Amino acid sequence: DAMVIQNPRYQVTQFGKPVTLSCSQTLNHNVMYWYQQKSSQAPKLLFHYYDKDFNNEADTPDNFQSRRPNTSFCFLDIRSPGLGDAAMYLCATSRDRGFEQYFGPGTRLTVT
Amino acid sequence: EDQVTQSPEALRLQEGESSSLNCSYTVSGLRGLFWYRQDPGKGPEFLFTLYSAGEEKEKERLKATLTKKESFLHITAPKPEDSATYLCAVQAVGETSGSRLTFGEGTQLTVNP
Repeated sequence: DAMVIQNPRYQVTQFGKPVTLSCSQTLNHNVMYWYQQKSSQAPKLLFHYYDKDFNNEADTPDNFQSRRPNTSFCFLDIRSPGLGDAAMYLCATSRDRGFEQYFGPGTRLTVT
Repeated sequence: EDQVTQSPEALRLQEGESSSLNCSYTVSGLRGLFWYRQDPGKGPEFLFTLYSAGEEKEKERLKATLTKKESFLHITAPKPEDSATYLCAVQAVGETSGSRLTFGEGTQLTVNP
C-alpha cells in the first residue's frame, strides 16, 4: 500500500541535543510538509517542500530545519531542542498544492 | 489571518444518536475545506474535501456540507468505532498559502455503546 512512513515513532532526546526525524513516502507526491502538534492542540505547519523548493512559515523558529534529498524522503532537524519542543511531529504529502494532504503516523518527541 | 473554530469541543453520544459537528471559518479566499479524523497517538486521516458552497460529500455514516462561512459534519447513527477527534482545516488561495492547512482545535467525539 502506498503510504507515508515516519521514523522513529517515539524519540527521546536531551535538552540541547540535536535530533533528526525522518519521513518517507511511496505516493510519489510533489509536496511534503512538516507539522507540529502539541497535546490537545491543532497541528501547526512548520514548513513544506514543493518539489525541491523550500517554504518556511514565518513563525517557525530558526531551531527547526529541514532537508529533502530526493522525492521520497524528507527530514526534520531540531538543532537544540528545548522543553517546549516536546510534541508530536507529523509529516504529510500531497500530489500538488491545493490537494488533500495525507499524514504519516507521527513521531512523538520527548525532551528531558 | 485564516481562522477555524470548531464546536463543540467535546461531544458524547449514545450509539445510534445522530448529531452534527460545526466548523466556522474565515479565510481570504477559500481554495478548499478539509475534514480529518484523528485517533489518539496517530496522524490525521483524510475524510473529505469541499471546494464550494453547497457542496456535499458522504462516506458511510458521515456527511460533510459547506456554506460560505461554515461546514458541518453530520454523523448518522454513530457507532463506538466512530469515536475520535474530528479536525476541520481550510486552505487559502495563493501560491504558498495554497499549501498551508489551517486547522481548528477539533471536536472530540465519544460514542457510547
